[in-house]
Amino acid sequence: SAVISQKPSRDICQRGTSLTIQCQVDSQVTMMFWYRQQPGQSLTLIATANQGSEATYESGFVIDKFPISRPNLTFSTLTVSNMSPEDSSIYLCSVAWGSLRFFGPGTRLTVL
Amino acid sequence: GQQVMQIPQYQHVQEGEDFTTYCNSSTTLSNIQWYKQRPGGHPVFLIQLVKSGEVKKQKRLTFQFGEAKKNSSLHITATQTTDVGTYFCAGQNTDKLIFGTGTRLQVFP
Repeated sequence: SAVISQKPSRDICQRGTSLTIQCQVDSQVTMMFWYRQQPGQSLTLIATANQGSEATYESGFVIDKFPISRPNLTFSTLTVSNMSPEDSSIYLCSVAWGSLRFFGPGTRLTVL
Repeated sequence: GQQVMQIPQYQHVQEGEDFTTYCNSSTTLSNIQWYKQRPGGHPVFLIQLVKSGEVKKQKRLTFQFGEAKKNSSLHITATQTTDVGTYFCAGQNTDKLIFGTGTRLQVFP
């Protein structure tokens, strides 16, 4: 399995600002994903971060709101843009190991 | 689109009692996975089931995949306080892994 770290672990942000979350993996992985988990809810896939090309977004998520970078096989960033209180969630980076998913510790975002 | 539902949503049990959570998919799955998320933590992989009717055990945990590969269950025998958390199933169909709604388990000592 891979060891995944995320920064920041938590943040409190003002409405209208943007936050970039970093995800670092200790080994090269082909597939990286970004999930959102709203309080008390399940995990929702935001997008698949593709190395060397644009991310693939799920229905309901757009690049302008959640731009993603994947400069290499061990690192990705997710930006939450023009934040509103509805964006308050835990954002989780995940990697695929075969068909399995391993998750980072998450970034707990509160938007005031 | 594909949906994966779990019941119950919440379960409170006395330590030592058994617990079962059920997972149902709207579509046939290639495999099903189970994850546990402790309060304040992130989901941690428990097991993957691939074959129709497959049953796997991990100590006090028994996982089952339905014959039609559309449902699954997780049974915990003699719960302990360390079992507290939310249990998610996740169904895979092609390259998509869809997480279930989750069952939150609370165990009272």
